[in-house]
Amino acid sequence: KAGVTQTPRYLIKTRGQQVTLSCSPISGHRSVSWYQQTPGQGLQFLFEYFSETQRNKGNFPGRFSGRQFSNSRSEMNVSTLELGDSALYLCASSPVPDIYNEQFFGPGTRLTVL
Amino acid sequence: LAKTTQPISMDSYEGQEVNITCSHNNIATNDYITWYQQFPSQGPRFIIQGYKTKVTNEVASLFIPADRKSSTLSLPRVSLSDTAVYYCLVGLTGGGNKLTFGTGTQLKVEL
Repeated sequence: KAGVTQTPRYLIKTRGQQVTLSCSPISGHRSVSWYQQTPGQGLQFLFEYFSETQRNKGNFPGRFSGRQFSNSRSEMNVSTLELGDSALYLCASSPVPDIYNEQFFGPGTRLTVL
Repeated sequence: LAKTTQPISMDSYEGQEVNITCSHNNIATNDYITWYQQFPSQGPRFIIQGYKTKVTNEVASLFIPADRKSSTLSLPRVSLSDTAVYYCLVGLTGGGNKLTFGTGTQLKVEL
């Protein structure tokens, strides 16, 4: 069974631009979560989607948004990029939204904002 | 929300057993304890999960005392490839998939 895939793997943008990252969960998994990882703040939860609905949202500004499609694939968008948005963005999937389930993480998208 | 405390770093040598202890004093009744492993520039990987006493799988053991205020991840006979960051997480009650990662423990294994 294929794992979680994220595209693109690497991205370079400039301040003020916007970016869209994509995540394809493991087949059959309907819950997708997004995390941001930086050296200073560590791993931080962004948001979680299940059945095309956002269930939880972390403490991030409105520039960060996401959505989930009917096939469970998810995208996250960051508008008006800032230097501090440079990070590894990780997507994780699980069959249903339950913290007690094992979550499967993708390899991440490394975003660099210049 | 149960806060976790782990050592920032640990060093070990190949072949040794490594024990990483996590403190979670305000763990709730319904919370589970989960450990993830992360290599550089990769997503975290689930290692083991438990509620009480001892859990063992093919890669690790998890020891949880009766009061559940701490837990110990035990890695038997580590190798260089076990060099990674290990995160202890305590499950939130109420469901959902919001994982709260602490600072983790950087384990360095040397020859």
